[in-house]
Amino acid sequence: AAGVIQSPRHLIKEKRETATLKCYPIPRHDTVYWYQQGPGQDPQFLISFYEKMQSDKGSIPDRFSAQQFSDYHSELNMSSLELGDSALYFCASSYRSAGYEQYFGPGTRLTVT
Amino acid sequence: QQQVKQSPQSLIVQKGGISIINCAYENTAFDYFPWYQQFPGKGPALLIAIRPDVSEKKEGRFTISFNKSAKQFSLHIMDSQPGDSATYFCAASPYNTDKLIFGTGTRLQVFP
Repeated sequence: AAGVIQSPRHLIKEKRETATLKCYPIPRHDTVYWYQQGPGQDPQFLISFYEKMQSDKGSIPDRFSAQQFSDYHSELNMSSLELGDSALYFCASSYRSAGYEQYFGPGTRLTVT
Repeated sequence: QQQVKQSPQSLIVQKGGISIINCAYENTAFDYFPWYQQFPGKGPALLIAIRPDVSEKKEGRFTISFNKSAKQFSLHIMDSQPGDSATYFCAASPYNTDKLIFGTGTRLQVFP
C-alpha cells in the first residue's frame, strides 16, 4: 500500500538559512499534519491542513509556515534556521471521513550547523 | 507540562513474555487514544487505537485496555518477540481537533 512520502530525507543547513520540506500524503487522504521530534523526545504537533485550509495549529514558531496545495501535498517552510531546529520532521496524513487515524511518513532529518 | 504521562520509560522483557505500558491523562476532552511503534530513524507506525466508549480492544498480539473513570489506558503486547523491540508512544487527541499529544515514550527491549 502507498505510504506518506517526504522529501528530502536528510537536509543540512546553516544557521539563518531557509529550508523547505515536502510531504505527499497517502492517495485520497485529505488531511496533512506536521510534527517535530527532537532527539530522544516525543513528536510535537506543529500544524495541520484539511482540504487545503489550516485546520489546527500547535507550537509552530513564527519563523515556520506551511501550506497544502491543490494536489494535497504540503510544504513546511522554515526560515532563519536556528541550531535548536535540528530535529526529525514528520508529516502524517489521514482521510477525515474515515476517522482519526494518522499515518506517518519516514521523516526528514534536518541538521542545522 | 506533559498532558499524557507514560510509564515505564524503559522495559526489558524476555521473549514470549507480556509487555505492559501505561498512560494516564487529565484532560477529559480527549476522545481518541492511539498507540504508535517507532524504530530508530523511522516514522511512528500506528499499532492500535481506542475510543472512550470501549474498555478493551484487541488486534492480534496487541491489546488496549481503557479505564475512563481512572483516565488511564495501557498497551499489552502478548508473546513479545525480539522484533517488537522499539519505542512505543501512547497519544491522545482532544475532541474536534487534529492534533495528537504524545506521551514521552517507552523503550522496549525483548531478549531471546
